[in-house]
Amino acid sequence: NAGVTQTPKFQVLKTGQSMTLQCAQDMNHEYMSWYRQDPGMGLRLIHYSVGAGITDQGEVPNGYNVSRSTTEDFPLRLLSAAPSQTSVYFCASSYRPITGELFFGEGSRLTVL
Amino acid sequence: GDSVTQMEGPVTLSEEAFLTINCTYTATGYPSLFWYVQYPGEGLQLLLKATKADDKGSNKGFEATYRKETTSFHLEKGSVQVSDSAVYFCALSGEGFKTIFGAGTRLFVKA
Repeated sequence: NAGVTQTPKFQVLKTGQSMTLQCAQDMNHEYMSWYRQDPGMGLRLIHYSVGAGITDQGEVPNGYNVSRSTTEDFPLRLLSAAPSQTSVYFCASSYRPITGELFFGEGSRLTVL
Repeated sequence: GDSVTQMEGPVTLSEEAFLTINCTYTATGYPSLFWYVQYPGEGLQLLLKATKADDKGSNKGFEATYRKETTSFHLEKGSVQVSDSAVYFCALSGEGFKTIFGAGTRLFVKA
């Protein structure tokens, strides 16, 4: 059972480059979300989706885009990478918002030079 | 907006010591409360949860009680092991379908 799969696990970008972090889940969860984890700051919500075709902004959405064309996939796009976006990114999904727990991927470590 | 505050770490304990990690929250409505654990190099995984006031969540010897009157969800374990060394995150999920996390508390357990 794969759960939540993120690719790539590691990526180095130059300032101004764009890229997409992929996230896929095989649990038929309607709710999916992206977080970034920075030292001393816990996890901060970037974007989330409550179902295919529906997305919304979290705490720190600037510089990131998302789309949700299928239940399984929720890619995160960095439009023009900046050093401030160096972080570890986690994708998560849930079977039920609010009362259901989040299931996390293993993370994608991004370095922007 | 909603927020979670948890005690700063790191916390260093000897094996078999008692553990408490404090967590308080601010939220509108009736959020669900969670503790997640992160082992080195891994994603977060659920440790326990409580979805309404006075509920007690428990798992692997860890416990936490949802206290609405004090807006708290403190994590406790009676006897920690070296294998409990990890980062622990308190989180709440409420209105707007957003799960908000605390900053995390790193726990080191010495043999």
